[in-house]
Formats: sequence, C-alpha cells, structure tokens
Amino acid sequence: KNQVEQSPQSLIILEGKNCTLQCNYTVSPFSNLRWYKQDTGRGPVSLTIMTFSENTKSNGRYTATLDADTKQSSLHITASQLSDSASYICVVSAGYQLIWGAGTKLIIKP
Amino acid sequence: GAVVSQHPSWVICKSGTSVKIECRSLDFQATTMFWYRQFPKQSLMLMATSNEGSKATYEQGVEKDKFLINHASLTLSTLTVTSAHPEDSSFYICSTGTSGPFYNEQFFGPGTRLTVL
Repeated sequence: KNQVEQSPQSLIILEGKNCTLQCNYTVSPFSNLRWYKQDTGRGPVSLTIMTFSENTKSNGRYTATLDADTKQSSLHITASQLSDSASYICVVSAGYQLIWGAGTKLIIKP
Repeated sequence: GAVVSQHPSWVICKSGTSVKIECRSLDFQATTMFWYRQFPKQSLMLMATSNEGSKATYEQGVEKDKFLINHASLTLSTLTVTSAHPEDSSFYICSTGTSGPFYNEQFFGPGTRLTVL
C-alpha cells in the first residue's frame, strides 16, 4: 500500500532557530517527491520537487534532501521566521497519482 | 508557475441547497484540473480529476451525482455540491496539472471554505 508518513505531527520552535521535518514513504512506482507549504486557510504552495536522482534541493531557507535507498526525505528550515508558521506537507508522486502525507504543523514563536 | 484562482473564497449555505465553486487558471491552459477536499487537521484528499471536454474521473467513495464537475474550457472548471449537508462542510481546493519531461507539477488555488448550516 502506498503511504507517506511525516514526523513530527507538530513542532514549536523559537524564531531564528533551525528545524528539520521528516518524511518516510513507501510508494511504487516512484516519480518524484514534493514538499508543500500550506498556510492556514490557503492552498498549498510548492517548495521543492525532487526526482529519483536528486539528493538535495534548496529554495531560499528551505533545503530538502532525498534518500531513495532508504525512502526518506527531510525538509530543513534555517533561521526560521514567523511567516514560516504553516503546515508542511510531503507528497510523493507515482505517475499522475499523488500520495499525500498528513503534514507537520510548524509554529514559530517570537 | 501557473496562477489559479477560486471563487468564492468562502460560502455559507443552508442544508439542501446547491453550491457552485469556480476554479480558473489565469495564465495557463489547463487541460487537467484536480479537485481536493480537506477536513480540519487533515491533509488534502483527491476527489476527482477533471479533463477539459470530457467527463471527470472520480476517486473511490466520491459520489459523482453529488459533486458535479464541469470542465468546459481550458481555463475554467466548476464543482457543484448538490443538496449540500453539514457533513459536506470542508475546504475545497482545485489545482491545475502540467506535464514536464521529468515530472508533473500542480499549482493550487487558494481554496474555498464551504459551511453548510
């Protein structure tokens, strides 16, 4: 069964600190892995997309890693800002089918 | 990326009425659009895939007669929730689909909050 699991479910950190969110998946066939940021009451916004051959990809203060052997991905946020407070969702693509993780709710406190 | 808009952004209706949600691709010809539903504290759940000029493909468990999808043009898809009930209250999000040489991409609308009283 295709599954995407994220941890932690929620995370609270102080502004300026770094954090890492985890994503484990069992999806076949694997096309790509995406990280989305979803603000409360808004649609998801793409942060990164990685294919099988990509190990790391950055988008500003967001850096995603992918280990296709262990089927794990992480999203690292550096120097967090209040505006980073959101849900971060890991999504794995199997062709046109998207398998969605439940998301990690991140709260940045001043 | 593509810009996707939704209208209305929120709607409150009485039980038994029908509600239409519009999804527009503003700068992109979307042959495929996707409709999602998201309940509080849950992730997005795909409801149906809409292809321009043809019938939508619904996910298992989604009633096609209750959630009517029309994708009559390359820039507009509509979702009509017929005879809405309180359990249909949710956040509805549409997205467009593209196909690239290595991966497909989706761009999401801002969502529509439906509350059925």
